[in-house]
Amino acid sequence: KAGVTQTPRYLIKTRGQQVTLSCSPISGHRSVSWYQQTPGQGLQFLFEYFSETQRNKGNFPGRFSGRQFSNSRSEMNVSTLELGDSALYLCASSLGRGTNEKLFFGSGTQLSVL
Amino acid sequence: AQSVTQLGSHVSVSEGALVLLRCNYSSSVPPYLFWYVQYPNQGLQLLLKYTSAATLVKGINGFEAEFKKSETSFHLTKPSAHMSDAAEYFCAVSNAGKSTFGDGTTLTVKP
Repeated sequence: KAGVTQTPRYLIKTRGQQVTLSCSPISGHRSVSWYQQTPGQGLQFLFEYFSETQRNKGNFPGRFSGRQFSNSRSEMNVSTLELGDSALYLCASSLGRGTNEKLFFGSGTQLSVL
Repeated sequence: AQSVTQLGSHVSVSEGALVLLRCNYSSSVPPYLFWYVQYPNQGLQLLLKYTSAATLVKGINGFEAEFKKSETSFHLTKPSAHMSDAAEYFCAVSNAGKSTFGDGTTLTVKP
């Protein structure tokens, strides 16, 4: 069974640009969540999608948005990039939304903003 | 509200020595607790999870963690460190689809 796939693996953008990251969950998983990982802030929750609806949102500005498609694949978009957006963006999928659901993580997309 | 505190951002042990990574949590409801490991340039992998079935939880690669409600702790241990255990370890608490992670502890294993 294929794991969680994130594309692209690396991205280099300049300030002011926008970027779209993609996440394909494990087959059958309906919940997808996104995290930002930086050395200074650690792992921070961005948002969670289930059945094409955003169910939870972290404390990030509106420049960060996402969506989920009917096949559970998810995309995350960051507009008007800032230097501080440089980070590893991790996507995780799980079967459902239960509290003890195990998260399966992708390898992440490393975004560098110059 | 929920939160996780990992004591010690860096832990260094010798190969064969005991590994102890500390995690304390705060949760307004009975917690579901997890430990994840992240190897360089990779995503996170689940080591083990606590779901109230047993206070001592055994995970992969010889790791285990003990849930102590009175101390609100969920420390991760391994009796004998191996070089391949060098990685970053994250403790997490989960509630209603949202997971909150600690800041991580980097484990270094010296030969």
